[in-house]
Amino acid sequence: AQTVTQSQPEMSVQEAETVTLSCTYDTSESDYYLFWYKQPPSRQMILVIRQEAYKQQNATENRFSVNFQKAAKSFSLKISDSQLGDAAMYFCASFKGGTSYGKLTFGQGTILTVHP
Amino acid sequence: NAGVMQNPRHLVRRRGQEARLRCSPMKGHSHVYWYRQLPEEGLKFMVYLQKENIIDESGMPKERFSAEFPKEGPSILRIQQVVRGDSAAYFCASSPGLAGGPNEQFFGPGTRLTVL
Repeated sequence: AQTVTQSQPEMSVQEAETVTLSCTYDTSESDYYLFWYKQPPSRQMILVIRQEAYKQQNATENRFSVNFQKAAKSFSLKISDSQLGDAAMYFCASFKGGTSYGKLTFGQGTILTVHP
Repeated sequence: NAGVMQNPRHLVRRRGQEARLRCSPMKGHSHVYWYRQLPEEGLKFMVYLQKENIIDESGMPKERFSAEFPKEGPSILRIQQVVRGDSAAYFCASSPGLAGGPNEQFFGPGTRLTVL
């Protein structure tokens, strides 16, 4: 079974600053994937970034990057140059590898507020 | 290409009534997932279906809940004899049937069920 834990219920950041959201996970699988999803007030879930566990290089997508620490089972999301539109609930999620289909396991979420 | 469609967006039921939630996957997608989001919590997997088949229903409550994905038409999540604890947002996601690595799950806007 996989578990995902987000220990920060809420975070805030000033516009244009950088913020890091934390996530830890537990899995017995050797092959797995990790994701960060964004849920704005519209409630639409949007994939932000994904990381393959077998890759040592941290994934980046424009202003979004991750710090993947496999031994520590940590997967944090860094948002650089924060924008007002980044305000949302952010969910960390895991996916068991070895298959193309299956369930995502989500953390509890972190509410991010961006101050102008 | 239209995204994942869910209807209704909001559904109000009285205790004991039935709730039917519909999900139309993205065009070309043959895999559908249902997740439930209770207030202040992350999304929890319920069931995963392919056309006419339930593949994984490990997250479905044993009673009152059922899901189907017929050959023609949308996927339906059915909740019989609803209780107040069923009040939640129900999200549907779909993915294509591509081999090699996890298929991205595209989420619908959700159905918010309120049980009076």
